[in-house]
Amino acid sequence: AQTVTQSQPEMSVQEAETVTLSCTYDTSESDYYLFWYKQPPSRQMILVIRQEAYKQQNATENRFSVNFQKAAKSFSLKISDSQLGDAAMYFCAYRSGQGAQKLVFGQGTRLTINP
Amino acid sequence: NAGVTQTPKFRVLKTGQSMTLLCAQDMNHEYMYWYRQDPGMGLRLIHYSVGEGTTAKGEVPDGYNVSRLKKQNFLLGLESAAPSQTSVYFCASSYAVQGSAPLHFGNGTRLTVT
Repeated sequence: AQTVTQSQPEMSVQEAETVTLSCTYDTSESDYYLFWYKQPPSRQMILVIRQEAYKQQNATENRFSVNFQKAAKSFSLKISDSQLGDAAMYFCAYRSGQGAQKLVFGQGTRLTINP
Repeated sequence: NAGVTQTPKFRVLKTGQSMTLLCAQDMNHEYMYWYRQDPGMGLRLIHYSVGEGTTAKGEVPDGYNVSRLKKQNFLLGLESAAPSQTSVYFCASSYAVQGSAPLHFGNGTRLTVT
């Protein structure tokens, strides 16, 4: 079974600075997808960014980018120019490209933005 | 656009009581999922469905049952609630064929079992 590990339960960063959230995963599959979701206090799950395993190029969405290291099974999220609205729980997730394509989540990292 | 709608938003149960959580999606998604979220454990899959009339067990299915009689609805039942089922429950849905397509989540149901 696939597992996802987020080793940083909490992180904090100064507003306008850059922060990197770590994620590692374990799988024997070659066809899979990786996601970062954001959960603000409203409890809503919001997709931040996604990465297809077959793509070597790292995904980027505005201030959010990933460092996808397939051989190391690492998928970190970098947030540049941090804003107060970025404060939230962040979840890394793995999705198999086969079968029911269930999403497997990490434990989450709580990000605090200091003004 | 309603997306994924969960009812109710909050519920308090006494141990041994039963209840049903309703999830409805209007995006014609084939796949639907029920997750529970507990502090420090992320979201864990309870049950899922790959189409109308089908259901399957996820990572933590004990104490729960599900039904998918209509494509747009996915029901999660607790027959005899226990304090260990105190959690936030999320329903999600997605298209079947695109692995990179994100799951669409409801806003969650906070359940407390006393």
